[in-house]
Amino acid sequence: SQQGEEDPQALSIQEGENATMNCSYKTSINNLQWYRQNSGRGLVHLILIRSNEREKHSGRLRVTLDTSKKSSSLLITASRAADTASYFCATDPGNAGKSTFGDGTTLTVKP
Amino acid sequence: DAGVIQSPRHEVTEMGQEVTLRCKPISGHDYLFWYRQTMMRGLELLIYFNNNVPIDDSGMPEDRFSAKMPNASFSTLKIQPSEPRDSAVYFCASSPDAGVSGYTFGSGTRLTVV
Repeated sequence: SQQGEEDPQALSIQEGENATMNCSYKTSINNLQWYRQNSGRGLVHLILIRSNEREKHSGRLRVTLDTSKKSSSLLITASRAADTASYFCATDPGNAGKSTFGDGTTLTVKP
Repeated sequence: DAGVIQSPRHEVTEMGQEVTLRCKPISGHDYLFWYRQTMMRGLELLIYFNNNVPIDDSGMPEDRFSAKMPNASFSTLKIQPSEPRDSAVYFCASSPDAGVSGYTFGSGTRLTVV
């Protein structure tokens, strides 16, 4: 099974609202990454958080990591219609090239 | 840099035919990865290369799949013979450091085998 599992599977909100999606994983990690995938496109790297970090910000994105609970969350503030996409977490176990991706959360932001 | 470039974007082929997918990684990225994405199985790592050498091909589903990287700027993923269950989106990604700092993905090839 996938190392990272996102929750919820789908999320629908109004423009301007905040969106929170979660990722749980099973084994220890070196870092955790979040990606966005627009329909019909490849994944785009959003943000990376290392195992010794608890929180990280990038623009309207806020990522938290709780290694004791083996979970991470991605918060998108003041969402826009352009944020409509699927969001994936990827966990790096420290074994080169062996990051695994979750099944993703599909976010729909209604104008 | 134009990013990771994949071709073709779409491929429709008949069962039993050979299919070749192509990828040009970002210049200077020593690692190249091939992934397959389906609704049922999500994003799966098929194989990855370091400095043109295949390092881990444990994700390649069957002997019908093969991948090569003849030089630092080109890789192919070949399926021969193709089957309907191979229908998926195939992504190529590259990284300067085995993905530790992240991957840069191409736009993918949507393969349909009929």
